[in-house]
Amino acid sequence: EVQLLESGGGLVQPGGSLRLSCAASGFMFGNYVMNWIRQLPAKGLEWVSGISVSSGTYYADSVKGRFTISRDNSKNTLYLQMDSLRAEDTAFYYCAQGVSLDYWGQGTLVTVSS
Amino acid sequence: DIVLTQTPLSLSVSPGQSAAISCKSSQSLLYSDGKTYLYWYLQKPGQPPQLLIYEVSNRFSGVSDRFSGSGSGTDFTLKISRVEAEDVGVYYCMQSLQLPKTFGQGTKVEIK
Repeated sequence: EVQLLESGGGLVQPGGSLRLSCAASGFMFGNYVMNWIRQLPAKGLEWVSGISVSSGTYYADSVKGRFTISRDNSKNTLYLQMDSLRAEDTAFYYCAQGVSLDYWGQGTLVTVSS
Repeated sequence: DIVLTQTPLSLSVSPGQSAAISCKSSQSLLYSDGKTYLYWYLQKPGQPPQLLIYEVSNRFSGVSDRFSGSGSGTDFTLKISRVEAEDVGVYYCMQSLQLPKTFGQGTKVEIK
């Protein structure tokens, strides 16, 4: 059974940093594209970032230069380093498997507020 | 960026009836490999989204055959047959033809 478990969310002040983690199990992690998607409270979905099998990285314009996606295949873990956080980054952050976003984690809440 | 426009934004359906949701893309989602990169997801209350349909019309593993997808190019439809109480939630279409992946605004489905 595919499982994705996000962690690392919390309350942070504007300009601060957070590092999200997504622990994966139940599939060959290293063989899959992985993604971060966010959902603003009571709003729609926004793709944030993706990382290929060969660790090529891709970002939405809204986070480019501030967020960094990475993966550790030896630990079956996906990361999102978030720097220079803004109020508009407040959202639930989900990790999702594959190009098709086949499976999603339960999400972790990031709140950027002073 | 590719814009996906869903209609309607909300839907109230009686149990056992059918429902249809439209998703229109600002450009064709057909790729040179012959595949069309349009997907449908359902987000049930308090849960993350779950994949229902991939590449327009293929049901994902474990998805009820009451869900069907159709369409081509820029116009797509998700049909829910014999609606049940467990089908309530917000339905999203998504394209992965090009980055950034983009989602429709969502269609909230409730039971009468």
